[in-house]
Amino acid sequence: DAGVTQSPTHLIKTRGQHVTLRCSPISGHKSVSWYQQVLGQGPQFIFQYYEKEERGRGNFPDRFSARQFPNYSSELNVNALLLGDSALYLCASSLLEREAFFGQGTRLTVV
Amino acid sequence: KQEVTQIPAALSVPEGENLVLNCSFTDSAIYNLQWFRQDPGKGLTSLLLIQSSQREQTSGRLNASLDKSSGRSTLYIAASQPGDSATYLCAVPRNAGNMLTFGGGTRLMVKP
Repeated sequence: DAGVTQSPTHLIKTRGQHVTLRCSPISGHKSVSWYQQVLGQGPQFIFQYYEKEERGRGNFPDRFSARQFPNYSSELNVNALLLGDSALYLCASSLLEREAFFGQGTRLTVV
Repeated sequence: KQEVTQIPAALSVPEGENLVLNCSFTDSAIYNLQWFRQDPGKGLTSLLLIQSSQREQTSGRLNASLDKSSGRSTLYIAASQPGDSATYLCAVPRNAGNMLTFGGGTRLMVKP
């Protein structure tokens, strides 16, 4: 079975631009969560979606948004990119209250 | 607000040693606790999940324990190998929805 897949793996953007990151969960998992991991720190929770509804939001500005599609895949969008948005963006899927499984991440560099 | 702390931040040991990684959390009302491994620049690999009703969980050379009342979990690695070199992260969900709060991680290096 395929694990959690994320695309692209690497991305370089310029300040002020917009970016879209994509995630496909493990088959059968209806919950998708997004995390931001800055170098040297643990991941920080951004969003969780379940059955296409937002179930939780972390302490991130409104420039960050996400959505989940009928096939349970998800997109994370970030507008007006700042240098500080440079990070590894991780997607996780799970059955609620069960083990979370992570993708390999998207490395975003803002220049 | 749940806070998760991992000590030590970094650890270097010779191959073959048994070692213990520590994780503490401030709010004991947790549903479960999960330990992850992360190789440099990569995603997270789930190692063990302990439900709140469990005291410990084992997988191969790994053993994780949970003491909710004291807000602590430990990850025990037996007979460490160079391939165990990675960052180890613990995480607890903020509620039943599995929105995880992570510690800062312990960076482990096992020297041959």
